[in-house]
Amino acid sequence: DQQVKQNSPSLSVQEGRISILNCDYTNSMFDYFLWYKKYPAEGPTFLISISSIKDKNEDGRFTVFLNKSAKHLSLHIVPSQPGDSAVYFCAARNSNSGYALNFGKGTSLLVTP
Amino acid sequence: NAGVMQNPRHLVRRRGQEARLRCSPMKGHSHVYWYRQLPEEGLKFMVYLQKENIIDESGMPKERFSAEFPKEGPSILRIQQVVRGDSAAYFCASFDRVATNEKLFFGSGTQLSVL
Repeated sequence: DQQVKQNSPSLSVQEGRISILNCDYTNSMFDYFLWYKKYPAEGPTFLISISSIKDKNEDGRFTVFLNKSAKHLSLHIVPSQPGDSAVYFCAARNSNSGYALNFGKGTSLLVTP
Repeated sequence: NAGVMQNPRHLVRRRGQEARLRCSPMKGHSHVYWYRQLPEEGLKFMVYLQKENIIDESGMPKERFSAEFPKEGPSILRIQQVVRGDSAAYFCASFDRVATNEKLFFGSGTQLSVL
C-alpha cells in the first residue's frame, strides 16, 4: 500500500519560473516529511524537511508547505534552474512507529533553458 | 552521496545464484538502512541495522533475503537463489543518530540484474 503518493510522474518548467512538486499521504500518524533529490546513477540526497508542527519551511530557493488537514505537502523551487532537473522524492515517517522512511514514487523535473 | 560506498555498482546474476551487496557507511556512522527501488517505483524500506544488531527488518522478504552489519567491515545484503523479480536498484544509507535520520546519506546504489 502506497502511503505516500506523488501523482505527477513528470513536470517540465522553464528556467526562471516556479516549480511546484506535490505529494499526498494517507497516514495521519506521519509527523515528519522530507524531500530528496536524485540524479541518474546516484543515490538520493536530502533537500529539505518539515515537521508536522509547522506549515512552512524555507531554505534558499526551496520551500516546503504542509497542509495537514488535506494530508498534502508541496515543494516550491523559485527560480528554477537547469541544474534542478532531477527526480524528486517525497518521504514521510511516523517517529513513534519504527524507523523507516516511506517514499513516494518520485516526480521527474525537467527545467528547460 | 560522498562517503557511503556501495559495491559493486552493477551486479548480474543468473536465476538461482546468490547476490551479495556491500555497503560501507560514512566514517563514524553506526546505523545503516537498506532500501530497494523497483523500476518505476519509489524506494521501499527493507531493513535497519546497527552494528551487530538488526533493529527493524519489517521490509525484508521473509525468504532468501538476509542482512548483517558486523562489528568490523561493511554491511552485507545477501539474496539467495535470486529470481527475476529481484532485479532492482538497492540503496544503502547511513547516519549517526536516530534523531537526525533526515540526514541520511545514501550510496550510489547497486543495480542488480537477474537473467
